Amino acid sequence: DQQVKQNSPSLSVQEGRISILNCDYTNSMFDYFLWYKKYPAEGPTFLISISSIKDKNEDGRFTVFLNKSAKHLSLHIVPSQPGDSAVYFCAALAANFGNEKLTFGTGTRLTIIP
Amino acid sequence: GAGVSQSPSNKVTEKGKDVELRCDPISGHTALYWYRQSLGQGLEFLIYFQGNSAPDKSGLPSDRFSAERTGGSVSTLTIQRTQQEDSAVYLCASSLRQGSGYTFGSGTRLTVV
Repeated sequence: DQQVKQNSPSLSVQEGRISILNCDYTNSMFDYFLWYKKYPAEGPTFLISISSIKDKNEDGRFTVFLNKSAKHLSLHIVPSQPGDSAVYFCAALAANFGNEKLTFGTGTRLTIIP
Repeated sequence: GAGVSQSPSNKVTEKGKDVELRCDPISGHTALYWYRQSLGQGLEFLIYFQGNSAPDKSGLPSDRFSAERTGGSVSTLTIQRTQQEDSAVYLCASSLRQGSGYTFGSGTRLTVV
């Protein structure tokens, strides 16, 4: 049972354009969401997060949007840069239920075309 | 150290052998997690240690898998009688607090032949 889903395994975007990565979840107890970025042969690194009390969080070129009614979140990267090429994982946890385990999606491989 | 350290970085083992994977978390981080990533899959939760509490072992796929955390610091994940389906990258993470505090190591790539 995949509780966090990233339906696009890969995405290619021209440098300078906007990259939009999508994530859907099924567990209504999830109340905190994160995006991680992973380069080959490295561990995932934290990128940005959002609490369910918000619908948007912005950090530089990265913005995460949360639509609770649709159980959907997205990561926007603008402008996209070649160094953004990586695998992006969406993750969720039920913080208010005292559950500290992150549930991850299967990842989306983003390729930025110079 | 400055980050989460995992060893070995790569391990090739014969089917049926036991393996031990080691994780050195960031000093002072009370929570430690093991995940694995199989080919084409997401990160699968295995086990979670928090302070002196009993570990959450709900993600361990079989009784061939076990983990311990000695002295609230270093953790060892042991896989007994390895099978080919155990081949994956095993990732360790530690945190001081929930969610954004997770720091991952670079992982151990396990290949069972």
